[in-house]
Amino acid sequence: AQSVAQPEDQVNVAEGNPLTVKCTYSVSGNPYLFWYVQYPNRGLQFLLKYITGDNLVKGSYGFEAEFNKSQTSFHLKKPSALVSDSALYFCAVRDIRTGANNLFFGTGTRLTVIP
Amino acid sequence: DTGVSQDPRHKITKRGQNVTFRCDPISEHNRLYWYRQTLGQGPEFLTYFQNEAQLEKSRLLSDRFSAERPKGSFSTLEIQRTEQGDSAMYLCASSPKIPTGGAGTGELFFGEGSRLTVL
Repeated sequence: AQSVAQPEDQVNVAEGNPLTVKCTYSVSGNPYLFWYVQYPNRGLQFLLKYITGDNLVKGSYGFEAEFNKSQTSFHLKKPSALVSDSALYFCAVRDIRTGANNLFFGTGTRLTVIP
Repeated sequence: DTGVSQDPRHKITKRGQNVTFRCDPISEHNRLYWYRQTLGQGPEFLTYFQNEAQLEKSRLLSDRFSAERPKGSFSTLEIQRTEQGDSAMYLCASSPKIPTGGAGTGELFFGEGSRLTVL
């Protein structure tokens, strides 16, 4: 079975401070990992993905994520948070070994950046 | 706008009624997905099409749910005899054709969703 876990329902951070949104995964084979963001009344938007290669992946809006195979984690990070980053963030995984075409999403983490 | 579009954006219906949602994917995408999202949860996979063929169905897709993609372009998701538990956001996503011999990256492009409220 494949799954992702987002242990924090809510993350609060002050504007200008670094932010981390945590994600751990469980798959049988090698994972494809994704982060999506959902703003109010908007669809899910792709932020970044890890397929293979460098463990540090850079994405949209200054976000990056670090793939850690030994810890089965894929935490989302940003060096300096903006108020406009406040949104709902979802981690997702695709298990390439099974050939599954769909993504399995976590339950989401609501990020609030405090001015 | 060349993104994924869904219609209607909001639907309020009474229990027992039938509802239908439409999704128009990005035109060059041959893969289309339906997900359901309830409050406080992440999107849950319902079904997947490659062109007009429905290749995967989740156990979440009960007999009251049916999805079609007759010409490999737009798709419809119909819920018959709606129940209050069907209240959710129904999300459609599409992804491009995978090159021959490739595995694809799995990135999905989502529409803004159709919110269903069953009274």
